[in-house]
Amino acid sequence: QVQLQDSGPGLVKPSETLSLTCTVSGGSVTSGSYFWSWIRQPPGKGLEWIGYASYSGSTNYNPSLKSRVTISVDTSKNQFSLKLNSVTAADTAVYYCVRIKSGYDYLGGYYYYYMDVWGKGTTVTVPS
Amino acid sequence: QSVLTQPPSASGTPGQRVTVSCSGISSNIGSNTVNWYQQLPGTAPKLLIHTNNERPSGVPDRFSGSRSGTSASLAISGLQSEDEADYYCAAWDDSLKGWVFGGGTKLTVL
Repeated sequence: QVQLQDSGPGLVKPSETLSLTCTVSGGSVTSGSYFWSWIRQPPGKGLEWIGYASYSGSTNYNPSLKSRVTISVDTSKNQFSLKLNSVTAADTAVYYCVRIKSGYDYLGGYYYYYMDVWGKGTTVTVPS
Repeated sequence: QSVLTQPPSASGTPGQRVTVSCSGISSNIGSNTVNWYQQLPGTAPKLLIHTNNERPSGVPDRFSGSRSGTSASLAISGLQSEDEADYYCAAWDDSLKGWVFGGGTKLTVL
């Protein structure tokens, strides 16, 4: 059973770079049909997708964060990571690392994607 | 302001059936499959329903999902106290080229 463990500093100063790592156990980041993603949740608010990366290097980011985000996969360590630069207090949130499963339904003729495994979350605070 | 629209709250008594709606547009729910997540207090979200109406292994059949046009809904039958949680819908948006979520519905079991 695949598990994700996110880790990183809980406090980041304004204008600096937030760096988080997610370690994958019970499976490999090179498994086909999966993307590796980050989601965040500000205090008392809903979920916001940050972006995803595949082990082959393809990436896709939330347009609202694209200029500040980098997500990468390290196959040698079976990890993936998030870097968010120039942080402000608005970036204060719980950050979750997430696995996205993808597939194609041949009967229905459509692609499907869903976030099937979540890490426990890391609280990151950026003081104002 | 979330891209997908959910009611902020819902409630029911034990044993009742409750539904949570999720409204979108043609570029998200109208074109792509919908997933639902349950977030118990103080924990990470958990996949509840995927691909509109599929339950992952271990999710009770009291939970069901449906999609029609640009809307989707989650139904919970035989409501139990442990169902008290926040529920989120999510879908891929072809125009935004990213995942979008509903604002979440807080379910209270009275």
